[in-house]
Parts: sequence; C-alpha cells; structure tokens
Amino acid sequence: DQQVKQNSPSLSVQEGRISILNCDYTNSMFDYFLWYKKYPAEGPTFLISISSIKDKNEDGRFTVFLNKSAKHLSLHIVPSQPGDSAVYFCAAPVGEYGNKLVFGAGTILRVKS
Amino acid sequence: GAGVSQSPSNKVTEKGKDVELRCDPISGHTALYWYRQSLGQGLEFLIYFQGNSAPDKSGLPSDRFSAERTGGSVSTLTIQRTQQEDSAVYLCASSLQGYQPQHFGDGTRLSIL
Repeated sequence: DQQVKQNSPSLSVQEGRISILNCDYTNSMFDYFLWYKKYPAEGPTFLISISSIKDKNEDGRFTVFLNKSAKHLSLHIVPSQPGDSAVYFCAAPVGEYGNKLVFGAGTILRVKS
Repeated sequence: GAGVSQSPSNKVTEKGKDVELRCDPISGHTALYWYRQSLGQGLEFLIYFQGNSAPDKSGLPSDRFSAERTGGSVSTLTIQRTQQEDSAVYLCASSLQGYQPQHFGDGTRLSIL
C-alpha cells in the first residue's frame, strides 16, 4: 500500500513561470513532510520540509503548502529556472521513531528556456 | 568532500554472486540508512542504524540481504546469491539523528546479468 503518492510522472514548465508539484498521502498520522530533488546519477538532496502544525513553509523560490483535511501537499517553485529540472520526491517519516522515510514515486520536472 | 560517500558507483555481476556495497556517512552523523530505487520507482527503505541501538531491518526484502555498521561509522550492505530483481540503485543516507533531514550519497548502480 503506497502511503505517499505522486500521481503526475512528469511536468513541463516554461522558464520564469510557476511549477506546482503535487503529493497525496493516506496516513492521517503523518506529521512531517519533506521534499527532495534528484539529478541524474546523483543522490537526492533535501529541499524543504513542513510540519503538520503549519500549512505553509517558504524558502526563497520554494514554498510548500499542506492541506491536512485533504491529505495533500504541494511544492511551488517561482520563478522556475532551467536548473530546477530534476526529479522531485515527497516523503514522510514513518516508524516508531520516524526513522525511515516513505517516498512517492517522483515527478520529473522539465523547465524549458 | 564532506558528503556521504558510496562505493562502488557501479557494479555489474552475474546472477548468483555475492556483492558488497559500502557507505561512508557524514562525520558525526549517528543515523545511517539504506534505500534502494528500482527503475521508475520511488525510494524503498531497507535498513536503519542509530548509534549503538539494534538496527531496524524491517525493510530488507529477503534474508539474502544483510548490513552492518562498524564502529558507528562505515556501513556495508551485502546481498548474497544475487537475483535479477536485485538490480537497482542502492542509496545510503545519514543524518545527525533520526527524524532529521537525511543526506544521501550518489548511490551504487547494481546490475545483475
């Protein structure tokens, strides 16, 4: 059973416009979420996180929104840049101590110049 | 560099052989994780080490998989009698403690012929 779902395998956006990456989850006990970015042949890098006590967290061009009632979160990138082209994963900690992450399948973002 | 280091970066082996994958975490990080990513899939948790505590092995797919962490630092993931379905990218991550953003290495791409 996939606890974290990214239903869009890919997204293409024009440079300078907004990129919106979506993620849904099934477990209402999740209280913390992370977004990772991955370039080919590299490991994922941590991008931004949000705690369930917030509904928004912003870091520069990146903002994550959390809608707990809908069990949905989204990552907004404004303005999008060609260097943002990568695979984006959302993840949530699980386990007794939150010691492991469950990941969505990822969304490939292509930013066209 | 100061990041998580994995070796080898690529490994091709014949079905039935044993393989060992190595991970050097970031210095001072007490938590170490192994994940794997199969083609087109998200990351799948395998095993977690935290300090001197017993590891969380709940993600290991079969008893052919084992891992150890010596001296609270370097970790080795061993796959015995490899099968073709073991082909994947194996990623190691570390964090200061559990429930902290995890920092990933670039992975070992394992191909079983």
